[in-house]
Amino acid sequence: NAGVTQTPKFQVLKTGQSMTLQCAQDMNHEYMSWYRQDPGMGLRLIHYSVGAGITDQGEVPNGYNVSRSTTEDFPLRLLSAAPSQTSVYFCASRRGLSSYNSPLHFGNGTRLTVT
Amino acid sequence: QQQVKQSPQSLIVQKGGISIINCAYENTAFDYFPWYQQFPGKGPALLIAIRPDVSEKKEGRFTISFNKSAKQFSLHIMDSQPGDSATYFCAASSMTSGSRLTFGEGTQLTVNP
Repeated sequence: NAGVTQTPKFQVLKTGQSMTLQCAQDMNHEYMSWYRQDPGMGLRLIHYSVGAGITDQGEVPNGYNVSRSTTEDFPLRLLSAAPSQTSVYFCASRRGLSSYNSPLHFGNGTRLTVT
Repeated sequence: QQQVKQSPQSLIVQKGGISIINCAYENTAFDYFPWYQQFPGKGPALLIAIRPDVSEKKEGRFTISFNKSAKQFSLHIMDSQPGDSATYFCAASSMTSGSRLTFGEGTQLTVNP
């Protein structure tokens, strides 16, 4: 049982480049989300999805795109990378909308550096 | 705008001591308050959670204390061990917040042997 799998683990981008951070879960969770973690700022929600075909913005959505074509996958796209997007990115999933008080299961993160 | 404020940012405790981390929230609609524990290189994992209809919840050496009128809650780690060294995040959510979990800034705990 893999849980939440994120790839890649590390990535270095130049300013202006684009890339996709991959996230997959094998727990049949309806809810999936992306957070970024920065020192002293905790975990901030970027985008989330409550099911296939449904996505919504979190606190810090600018510069990021998401889509949810299947229950399992929730990729995060950086359209034109900026140094301010240097961060550790976490994907997390849990059971559906009505289970807001059930545990979030996190992947092990992608450390992104934009130069 | 941080809806959940956490303190201290870092904490150093001797083995066997008590670690205390505090959080305060603003949104009175919040009705679920979890704590997550994160080890280096790993994602956060749920440690313990509380609903506002109880003032305290204990699981082993970990206790959440909740003060609804003050809109504050805290994590107490009794008999702290070096293996407890990690980053701890408080969080809050509600049904009306669209299932979004709002996290505090995090506390880096170091337990010295």
